[in-house]
Amino acid sequence: GAGVSQSPRYKVAKRGQDVALRCDPISGHVSLFWYQQALGQGPEFLTYFQNEAQLDKSGLPSDRFFAERPEGSVSTLKIQRTQQEDSAVYLCASSPAQGTEAFFGQGTRLTVV
Amino acid sequence: AQSVTQPDIHITVSEGASLELRCNYSYGATPYLFWYVQSPGQGLQLLLKYFSGDTLVQGIKGFEAEFKRSQSSFNLRKPSVHWSDAAEYFCAAYGGATNKLIFGTGTLLAVQP
Repeated sequence: GAGVSQSPRYKVAKRGQDVALRCDPISGHVSLFWYQQALGQGPEFLTYFQNEAQLDKSGLPSDRFFAERPEGSVSTLKIQRTQQEDSAVYLCASSPAQGTEAFFGQGTRLTVV
Repeated sequence: AQSVTQPDIHITVSEGASLELRCNYSYGATPYLFWYVQSPGQGLQLLLKYFSGDTLVQGIKGFEAEFKRSQSSFNLRKPSVHWSDAAEYFCAAYGGATNKLIFGTGTLLAVQP
Protein backbone atom coordinates (compact mmCIF):
# COMPACT_ATOMS: atom_id res chain seq x y z
CA GLY A 1 0.00 0.00 0.00
CA ALA A 2 0.92 3.65 -0.13
CA GLY A 3 1.62 3.96 3.57
CA VAL A 4 1.31 2.29 6.95
CA SER A 5 -2.30 1.47 7.66
CA GLN A 6 -3.75 0.94 11.12
CA SER A 7 -7.17 -0.29 12.12
CA PRO A 8 -9.40 0.52 13.74
CA ARG A 9 -8.76 4.26 13.93
CA TYR A 10 -10.77 4.49 17.13
CA LYS A 11 -11.62 1.86 19.69
CA VAL A 12 -13.68 2.18 22.86
CA ALA A 13 -13.32 -0.74 25.23
CA LYS A 14 -14.90 -1.48 28.55
CA ARG A 15 -12.44 -2.09 31.35
CA GLY A 16 -11.51 -5.73 31.39
CA GLN A 17 -12.21 -6.27 27.70
CA ASP A 18 -9.56 -7.63 25.33
CA VAL A 19 -8.65 -5.59 22.24
CA ALA A 20 -6.63 -6.25 19.08
CA LEU A 21 -5.05 -3.50 17.04
CA ARG A 22 -3.88 -4.14 13.51
CA CYS A 23 -0.98 -2.69 11.55
CA ASP A 24 -0.36 -3.13 7.83
CA PRO A 25 3.17 -1.90 7.15
CA ILE A 26 4.51 -0.66 3.86
CA SER A 27 5.05 -3.64 1.58
CA GLY A 28 8.57 -5.00 1.81
CA HIS A 29 9.50 -3.18 4.99
CA VAL A 30 11.56 -5.39 7.23
CA SER A 31 11.29 -3.49 10.50
CA LEU A 32 8.06 -2.83 12.36
CA PHE A 33 7.61 -0.86 15.56
CA TRP A 34 4.77 -0.27 17.99
CA TYR A 35 4.62 2.89 20.09
CA GLN A 36 2.23 4.13 22.75
CA GLN A 37 1.46 7.84 22.90
CA ALA A 38 -0.38 9.12 25.94
CA LEU A 39 -2.14 12.46 25.73
CA GLY A 40 0.35 15.32 25.66
CA GLN A 41 3.34 12.99 25.57
CA GLY A 42 5.83 11.79 23.02
CA PRO A 43 5.57 8.29 21.61
CA GLU A 44 6.99 5.61 23.90
CA PHE A 45 8.54 2.49 22.42
CA LEU A 46 6.68 -0.75 22.99
CA THR A 47 8.18 -3.42 20.75
CA TYR A 48 10.15 -4.07 17.56
CA PHE A 49 10.04 -6.76 14.89
CA GLN A 50 12.53 -7.62 12.21
CA ASN A 51 10.52 -9.67 9.76
CA GLU A 52 8.62 -12.15 11.95
CA ALA A 53 11.10 -12.07 14.81
CA GLN A 54 10.25 -9.95 17.83
CA LEU A 55 13.71 -8.67 18.70
CA ASP A 56 12.80 -6.22 21.43
CA LYS A 57 9.74 -6.15 23.65
CA SER A 58 11.28 -4.24 26.50
CA GLY A 59 8.74 -1.43 26.27
CA LEU A 60 5.63 -3.54 26.77
CA PRO A 61 4.21 -2.25 30.06
CA SER A 62 2.85 -5.52 31.36
CA ASP A 63 2.21 -9.12 30.42
CA ARG A 64 -1.28 -8.02 29.34
CA PHE A 65 0.35 -6.64 26.21
CA PHE A 66 1.26 -9.02 23.42
CA ALA A 67 2.38 -8.37 19.84
CA GLU A 68 2.87 -10.70 16.92
CA ARG A 69 3.88 -10.57 13.27
CA PRO A 70 3.60 -14.20 12.22
CA GLU A 71 4.35 -13.85 8.51
CA GLY A 72 6.63 -10.87 8.67
CA SER A 73 4.12 -8.38 7.31
CA VAL A 74 0.88 -7.56 9.18
CA SER A 75 1.25 -7.13 12.93
CA THR A 76 -1.29 -7.25 15.73
CA LEU A 77 -0.97 -5.67 19.14
CA LYS A 78 -3.23 -7.33 21.66
CA ILE A 79 -4.12 -5.95 25.05
CA GLN A 80 -5.83 -8.26 27.47
CA ARG A 81 -8.06 -7.16 30.33
CA THR A 82 -7.78 -3.50 29.40
CA GLN A 83 -7.34 -0.92 32.13
CA GLN A 84 -8.01 2.81 32.08
CA GLU A 85 -4.29 3.55 32.01
CA ASP A 86 -4.10 1.76 28.67
CA SER A 87 -6.02 4.63 27.08
CA ALA A 88 -3.65 6.15 24.53
CA VAL A 89 -2.90 6.36 20.83
CA TYR A 90 -1.07 3.30 19.57
CA LEU A 91 1.22 4.05 16.67
CA CYS A 92 2.73 1.57 14.28
CA ALA A 93 5.75 2.33 12.11
CA SER A 94 7.71 0.43 9.52
CA SER A 95 11.09 0.94 7.91
CA PRO A 96 12.86 -0.75 5.02
CA ALA A 97 15.88 -1.70 7.12
CA GLN A 98 17.33 -1.29 10.58
CA GLY A 99 18.44 2.26 11.29
CA THR A 100 16.60 3.90 8.45
CA GLU A 101 13.67 6.27 8.38
CA ALA A 102 10.50 5.01 10.06
CA PHE A 103 7.13 5.67 8.43
CA PHE A 104 4.22 6.01 10.82
CA GLY A 105 0.58 5.11 10.52
CA GLN A 106 -2.18 7.42 11.75
CA GLY A 107 -2.57 5.42 14.92
CA THR A 108 -5.39 3.79 16.82
CA ARG A 109 -6.91 5.82 19.60
CA LEU A 110 -7.91 3.46 22.39
CA THR A 111 -10.24 4.68 25.10
CA VAL A 112 -10.94 2.39 28.03
CA VAL A 113 -14.10 3.25 29.95
CA ALA B 1 20.73 6.11 29.48
CA GLN B 2 19.91 7.21 25.97
CA SER B 3 17.52 10.13 25.89
CA VAL B 4 16.18 12.99 23.82
CA THR B 5 15.25 16.27 25.47
CA GLN B 6 13.04 19.01 24.10
CA PRO B 7 13.23 21.81 26.67
CA ASP B 8 10.33 23.85 25.31
CA ILE B 9 6.89 22.36 25.91
CA HIS B 10 4.99 25.13 24.19
CA ILE B 11 6.09 27.94 21.85
CA THR B 12 4.03 30.72 20.28
CA VAL B 13 5.31 32.71 17.32
CA SER B 14 3.75 35.25 15.02
CA GLU B 15 3.12 34.33 11.44
CA GLY B 16 6.11 35.35 9.34
CA ALA B 17 8.50 35.26 12.27
CA SER B 18 11.44 32.90 12.47
CA LEU B 19 11.33 29.72 14.51
CA GLU B 20 13.84 27.60 16.37
CA LEU B 21 12.87 24.46 18.28
CA ARG B 22 15.49 22.97 20.53
CA CYS B 23 16.54 19.34 20.81
CA ASN B 24 19.35 17.77 22.80
CA TYR B 25 20.34 14.14 22.86
CA SER B 26 22.29 11.94 25.20
CA TYR B 27 23.93 8.97 23.52
CA GLY B 28 27.32 7.30 23.71
CA ALA B 29 27.99 7.98 20.05
CA THR B 30 26.30 10.24 17.53
CA PRO B 31 22.88 8.77 16.81
CA TYR B 32 20.77 9.15 13.74
CA LEU B 33 18.54 12.18 14.33
CA PHE B 34 15.07 13.02 13.11
CA TRP B 35 12.41 15.67 13.37
CA TYR B 36 8.78 14.67 12.99
CA VAL B 37 5.63 16.80 12.93
CA GLN B 38 2.23 15.70 14.18
CA SER B 39 -0.98 17.55 13.41
CA PRO B 40 -4.06 16.86 15.58
CA GLY B 41 -5.43 13.39 14.98
CA GLN B 42 -2.68 12.57 12.54
CA GLY B 43 0.32 10.31 12.51
CA LEU B 44 3.91 11.46 12.53
CA GLN B 45 5.35 12.94 9.37
CA LEU B 46 9.09 13.08 8.87
CA LEU B 47 10.43 16.60 8.31
CA LEU B 48 14.12 15.79 8.02
CA LYS B 49 16.86 13.46 9.16
CA TYR B 50 20.57 13.47 9.88
CA PHE B 51 22.74 10.39 9.49
CA SER B 52 26.18 11.85 8.71
CA GLY B 53 27.95 14.42 6.53
CA ASP B 54 26.78 17.99 6.15
CA THR B 55 25.62 19.21 9.53
CA LEU B 56 22.95 21.51 8.07
CA VAL B 57 20.07 19.41 6.85
CA GLN B 58 17.24 20.62 4.64
CA GLY B 59 13.79 19.15 5.01
CA ILE B 60 10.29 19.50 3.71
CA LYS B 61 8.02 22.54 4.17
CA GLY B 62 10.99 24.92 4.37
CA PHE B 63 12.43 23.45 7.57
CA GLU B 64 16.09 22.91 8.28
CA ALA B 65 18.08 21.57 11.22
CA GLU B 66 21.65 21.91 12.32
CA PHE B 67 23.58 19.15 14.03
CA LYS B 68 26.11 20.40 16.57
CA ARG B 69 28.21 17.62 18.05
CA SER B 70 29.83 19.89 20.65
CA GLN B 71 26.42 20.79 22.06
CA SER B 72 24.72 17.42 21.47
CA SER B 73 21.99 19.38 19.75
CA PHE B 74 19.85 19.12 16.64
CA ASN B 75 17.72 22.26 16.57
CA LEU B 76 14.97 22.76 14.03
CA ARG B 77 14.60 26.10 12.28
CA LYS B 78 12.35 27.86 9.82
CA PRO B 79 12.97 31.42 8.62
CA SER B 80 9.31 32.38 8.22
CA VAL B 81 6.50 30.50 9.92
CA HIS B 82 3.12 29.96 8.26
CA TRP B 83 -0.16 29.46 10.12
CA SER B 84 -0.28 25.89 8.78
CA ASP B 85 2.91 25.08 10.71
CA ALA B 86 0.94 25.00 13.96
CA ALA B 87 1.38 21.44 15.20
CA GLU B 88 3.42 19.37 17.63
CA TYR B 89 7.04 18.74 16.76
CA PHE B 90 9.03 15.77 17.96
CA CYS B 91 12.75 15.24 17.89
CA ALA B 92 13.87 11.60 17.81
CA ALA B 93 17.09 9.63 17.84
CA TYR B 94 18.11 6.14 16.83
CA GLY B 95 21.39 4.53 17.62
CA GLY B 96 23.63 2.64 19.94
CA ALA B 97 22.90 -0.93 20.81
CA THR B 98 19.18 -0.46 20.63
CA ASN B 99 16.81 -0.65 17.70
CA LYS B 100 14.50 1.85 19.31
CA LEU B 101 13.64 5.25 17.91
CA ILE B 102 13.53 7.37 21.07
CA PHE B 103 11.39 10.49 21.06
CA GLY B 104 11.48 13.70 23.01
CA THR B 105 8.34 14.87 24.76
CA GLY B 106 7.48 17.26 21.96
CA THR B 107 7.08 21.01 21.47
CA LEU B 108 3.64 22.35 20.70
CA LEU B 109 3.84 25.24 18.26
CA ALA B 110 1.12 27.87 18.12
CA VAL B 111 1.14 30.50 15.37
CA GLN B 112 -0.43 33.89 15.96
CA PRO B 113 -1.87 35.82 13.03
